[in-house]
Amino acid sequence: GQQVMQIPQYQHVQEGEDFTTYCNSSTTLSNIQWYKQRPGGHPVFLIQLVKSGEVKKQKRLTFQFGEAKKNSSLHITATQTTDVGTYFCAGGGTGFQKLVFGTGTRLLVSP
Amino acid sequence: DTGVSQNPRHKITKRGQNVTFRCDPISEHNRLYWYRQTLGQGPEFLTYFQNEAQLEKSRLLSDRFSAERPKGSFSTLEIQRTEQGDSAMYLCASSSARLGNTGELFFGEGSRLTVL
Repeated sequence: GQQVMQIPQYQHVQEGEDFTTYCNSSTTLSNIQWYKQRPGGHPVFLIQLVKSGEVKKQKRLTFQFGEAKKNSSLHITATQTTDVGTYFCAGGGTGFQKLVFGTGTRLLVSP
Repeated sequence: DTGVSQNPRHKITKRGQNVTFRCDPISEHNRLYWYRQTLGQGPEFLTYFQNEAQLEKSRLLSDRFSAERPKGSFSTLEIQRTEQGDSAMYLCASSSARLGNTGELFFGEGSRLTVL
């Protein structure tokens, strides 16, 4: 079955440093979504990418979908303590059916 | 509040007992998903419905798990003869599969199950 892996599992940065998490799927995806889960909370949608090579930005966050639609990345510029949480990618098959979540990257930001 | 609602929020049960969780999705959403999440892991897909039809069920699920969405609105997830390995957070999410929507999942707060 489809598997979605993320690296790194965990990253601890100083406030102001950049952060990147990478997502790799074992199969080609029709779309990829990114979610953020704060400690003790539930996943909250950040963005969806659909097109091959697509790049989207949300303030300090940059999301990219690979050309082969099997990988994706999330880059945060100049992290803030409010960025703390676990970031999950979730890959979708055709028809926007089930989403398979990645293993997640836990981000800790020290002031 | 028009978000996804789940109850109970917490359930402690003894091994071998049956438990049932309920999810009330956002009213206009036609898709409903159940995921399971253990500490430090990503949400693991269990099953999903479009309206009242159960379209896919994870092969990881044993026959002890069953889910229903009888009228295409709320859903229930039942676990029979619970085992300690069933201890997890059970997350429900809903989305709209209609044209123009992103398919974004809206999650509930989850139902935490502890099997003693």
